Amino acid sequence: KQEVTQIPAALSVPEGENLVLNCSFTDSAIYNLQWFRQDPGKGLTSLLLIQSSQREQTSGRLNASLDKSSGRSTLYIAASQPGDSATYLCAVSNSGYSTLTFGKGTMLLVSP
Amino acid sequence: GAVVSQHPSRVICKSGTSVKIECRSLDFQATTMFWYRQFPKKSLMLMATSNEGSKATYEQGVEKDKFLINHASLTLSTLTVTSAHPEDSSFYICSALPGQQPTEAFFGQGTRLTVV
Repeated sequence: KQEVTQIPAALSVPEGENLVLNCSFTDSAIYNLQWFRQDPGKGLTSLLLIQSSQREQTSGRLNASLDKSSGRSTLYIAASQPGDSATYLCAVSNSGYSTLTFGKGTMLLVSP
Repeated sequence: GAVVSQHPSRVICKSGTSVKIECRSLDFQATTMFWYRQFPKKSLMLMATSNEGSKATYEQGVEKDKFLINHASLTLSTLTVTSAHPEDSSFYICSALPGQQPTEAFFGQGTRLTVV
């Protein structure tokens, strides 16, 4: 059974810092991996999707990497801003039609 | 990107009543939709997989008679919480898979259910 772990559970940084969020998964036979953002009381916003054949994806200040063999992914946020404050969720899919297995998330607080 | 609309965003109901939550894919057809439940400070937990025109597949531990799922069309799935109890209070989120290229699931904005 796939299990997804995210470290750290919470992170507080001053504005402008670069930061890394970590995600690990137990079954490396994944189809894809997604990073989501969730604001309090809201749904999920997809940030980046990495297919199993890819090693990284970039969108603006966000960069996600994937090392499938070691079961790890990182989300790099450059020049953090207070608006980046949210919970970041990592989720993996083991097939194109399967459900996503989520980690518990990293709660990020970026202070001005 | 594809849009999934979930309604209502918030609902408060009395114990013993039933509540229906709708999940609609607005600009694509979704042969498969998923319903998740999120407890405070916990990860999203899959409740059931809904396929258009067939019975939903429930995860272990989820009461199918309590959480009724209907996927009557390629753009609509509903979750009905029957005889609601305070412990059913939670955040419920749906997601939909496009039928043509199922590489990414799209999520609704969630429904905050409070049972009083």
